[in-house]
Amino acid sequence: NAGVMQNPRHLVRRRGQEARLRCSPMKGHSHVYWYRQLPEEGLKFMVYLQKENIIDESGMPKERFSAEFPKEGPSILRIQQVVRGDSAAYFCASSPDRGRTHFGDGTRLSIL
Amino acid sequence: QQQVKQSPQSLIVQKGGISIINCAYENTAFDYFPWYQQFPGKGPALLIAIRPDVSEKKEGRFTISFNKSAKQFSLHIMDSQPGDSATYFCAASYQGAQKLVFGQGTRLTINP
Repeated sequence: NAGVMQNPRHLVRRRGQEARLRCSPMKGHSHVYWYRQLPEEGLKFMVYLQKENIIDESGMPKERFSAEFPKEGPSILRIQQVVRGDSAAYFCASSPDRGRTHFGDGTRLSIL
Repeated sequence: QQQVKQSPQSLIVQKGGISIINCAYENTAFDYFPWYQQFPGKGPALLIAIRPDVSEKKEGRFTISFNKSAKQFSLHIMDSQPGDSATYFCAASYQGAQKLVFGQGTRLTINP
């Protein structure tokens, strides 16, 4: 029974490039969340999605960031034209309709 | 009003001792209070959670105490072990929002 799968685990990009982070939720989970964690800080909510719909994107920066959860395939967090300040650990989580939220092991994004 | 404040930032406890971590919140609409444990390089894992209709919940060596009037809740780890050394996060959410609001985290070290 696989957990929340994120890939890649580590991603290095140069300033101005694009970063794509993928997340496969646990089987049977229809809710996906993305959180960002800066060093020595707690997790900050970014976006909440259900299949093909963005439910809450109140924590998402207005520019350069986008997320999707297509009918088929993993959820994608996309960061365009990355800057040094985007360096962080990005965690995906999933939950069933009503129940506990499970987290993946994250993608560590480093910007050179 | 969306914040959850956590203390202390770091904590050192001797093996066999009691570890206590505290959290406070402002938003009275919060109705779900989980605690997460995170090891380096891993995602947060749910330890124990409580809803405000009870004042205490115990699972093994882990206990949540909840004070609704003071808007505070705490995690107690009894008989602390070196394997408990990790970062602990409190969080809160409310029905209809799905997203979790995290505290800043407590780095716990259990000395053998």
